[in-house]
Amino acid sequence: GAVVSQHPSWVICKSGTSVKIECRSLDFQATTMFWYRQFPKQSLMLMATSNEGSKATYEQGVEKDKFLINHASLTLSTLTVTSAHPEDSSFYICSASANSPLHFGNGTRLTVT
Amino acid sequence: DAKTTQPPSMDCAEGRAANLPCNHSTISGNEYVYWYRQIHSQGPQYIIHGLKNNETNEMASLIITEDRKSSTLILPHATLRDTAVYYCIVRVDSGSARQLTFGSGTQLTVLP
Repeated sequence: GAVVSQHPSWVICKSGTSVKIECRSLDFQATTMFWYRQFPKQSLMLMATSNEGSKATYEQGVEKDKFLINHASLTLSTLTVTSAHPEDSSFYICSASANSPLHFGNGTRLTVT
Repeated sequence: DAKTTQPPSMDCAEGRAANLPCNHSTISGNEYVYWYRQIHSQGPQYIIHGLKNNETNEMASLIITEDRKSSTLILPHATLRDTAVYYCIVRVDSGSARQLTFGSGTQLTVLP
């Protein structure tokens, strides 16, 4: 149980375009989901907390207008990277939990050219 | 959440037990010890967690010292597929979803 699915697993986009990443909880409902970012050879860093039916909470230094989060249902949260630039190239990972422990998606490798 | 300290890297021979230590000397009474691992280019995978008793599941065993200031994750028969970064995380388990804060973890390399 407790499967979190993330799509796409990888995406390449041109600078200036927007990319949407989906995170789904497949066998449970999640009122809260988390979005992390991981640069090469670094650990995961929390970007934001996605709350169903309300605004996301962003960590310090993360631009909310650049990383748009929508949590429209209890099983789906989306992260849209707007006007992507090469420095946004990273590994984006979502996580969710019905109860402890948190389970993670398999990540999305974003490359901005 | 209490801070954890782990060695940056460890090697283990295939088929032998891998013992991964974690120091959490400032852990408080209501904080759990969680272990996750991340295989290259994948999302973290939950392994095990515990409060004060030793725990065992199909993946691993978790040994927590009596004073709870340190713990050891044991993979009883390591395989090449166990090569990954292992994260020890301490967190209050409030019953509602809270984020996990990742440190730098231990890179475990299982050698043939």
